[in-house]
Amino acid sequence: AQTVTQSQPEMSVQEAETVTLSCTYDTSESDYYLFWYKQPPSRQMILVIRQEAYKQQNATENRFSVNFQKAAKSFSLKISDSQLGDAAMYFCAYRSLLLGGSQGNLIFGKGTKLSVKP
Amino acid sequence: KAGVTQTPRYLIKTRGQQVTLSCSPISGHRSVSWYQQTPGQGLQFLFEYFSETQRNKGNFPGRFSGRQFSNSRSEMNVSTLELGDSALYLCASSLDGTQYTGELFFGEGSRLTVL
Repeated sequence: AQTVTQSQPEMSVQEAETVTLSCTYDTSESDYYLFWYKQPPSRQMILVIRQEAYKQQNATENRFSVNFQKAAKSFSLKISDSQLGDAAMYFCAYRSLLLGGSQGNLIFGKGTKLSVKP
Repeated sequence: KAGVTQTPRYLIKTRGQQVTLSCSPISGHRSVSWYQQTPGQGLQFLFEYFSETQRNKGNFPGRFSGRQFSNSRSEMNVSTLELGDSALYLCASSLDGTQYTGELFFGEGSRLTVL
């Protein structure tokens, strides 16, 4: 079974600085998706960034980028120029490329609570 | 385009009662998934429905059930509520088939408190 581990329960960053959130995963599959989702306090979870495992190039979305190391099964999220609105729980998630069966759901890490100091 | 809508947003029940939660997916999305979120266990997958059929199920007792209607709206039911069922229940919808991107779109959740 696949697992996702986020080893940092809480992180803090100064506004305008850069922070990196860590995520490792375990799988025997070669094709899958990895995600970072953001859940602000009392608000809905939204997608921050997505990475297809077959793509070697790291995904980037504005101030958010990932460092995807497939062999090491590592998928970290870098937030540049941190803003107060970035404060939230961040969840790393894995999803099999297969449809249906027992591998169609998202497997989440426990999350990292990010605080942004003004 | 409207997002995923979950009702009710908040509810309080007592042990032994049952509860039904509703989810309306994004228009055009045929897959609906349910997740339970608690501080201790984190986010855990309950089940997924596609075209009115349960396609995938997590490791939860039979007290947890769901269904999907022909318009893709979904409901989940929890019978004989226990204190440990207190949680935020999240519904998510997604595209499927050739438009599969793996991304889930979440609702704001239904927060259930069991007393």
